[in-house]
Amino acid sequence: GESVGLHLPTLSVQEGDNSIINCAYSNSASDYFIWYKQESGKGPQFIIDIRSNMDKRQGQRVTVLLNKTVKHLSLQIAATQPGDSAVYFCAEIGGYNTDKLIFGTGTRLQVFP
Amino acid sequence: DAMVIQNPRYQVTQFGKPVTLSCSQTLNHNVMYWYQQKSSQAPKLLFHYYDKDFNNEADTPDNFQSRRPNTSFCFLDIRSPGLGDAAMYLCATWDSDNQPQHFGDGTRLSIL
Repeated sequence: GESVGLHLPTLSVQEGDNSIINCAYSNSASDYFIWYKQESGKGPQFIIDIRSNMDKRQGQRVTVLLNKTVKHLSLQIAATQPGDSAVYFCAEIGGYNTDKLIFGTGTRLQVFP
Repeated sequence: DAMVIQNPRYQVTQFGKPVTLSCSQTLNHNVMYWYQQKSSQAPKLLFHYYDKDFNNEADTPDNFQSRRPNTSFCFLDIRSPGLGDAAMYLCATWDSDNQPQHFGDGTRLSIL
């Protein structure tokens, strides 16, 4: 069977609160960053992206912040809903091989009523 | 409408018996990727194609091979599956124009 993997960091929030999920990326040459949401049994689903020439980008209820100095990316979800419960991954692309998308560790978001 | 389609959704094979997973896309993207994802882990890139140009990751076992006969289809062949190959296998596509990659819903492979 499938081997047991690493335990994912978990963020538990109450419905209606704001959520902040953090990610450290590895390659200072990466120039494009994406946040994905993955629900159980499904593939990763695009949430929001940001280029390295920006430090903030907003979508519907979501905001991504990029700090290139410390190679840090965050995803903010406003008014978190039960449907937001999932695993969230940051991913980076660019640098030496611009076709290659590399995922961060992932964070499990649990939303309580 | 599904844009990246993986078949089958669930695949069971026997230890050592070759298995092929398939992926098709309707997006006409020039890049296609195969990832392996184990429980509670991030997807791990196995290899990718830029058109017909194949790019293998250094740590991808030789047991894993891939074919891309045309733009729309890409296959993952596992020549002699071991118990450690049980995982979710994800296919993704990209148009190399700084738009996000599109993922299929994966094939969950079990090894008996």
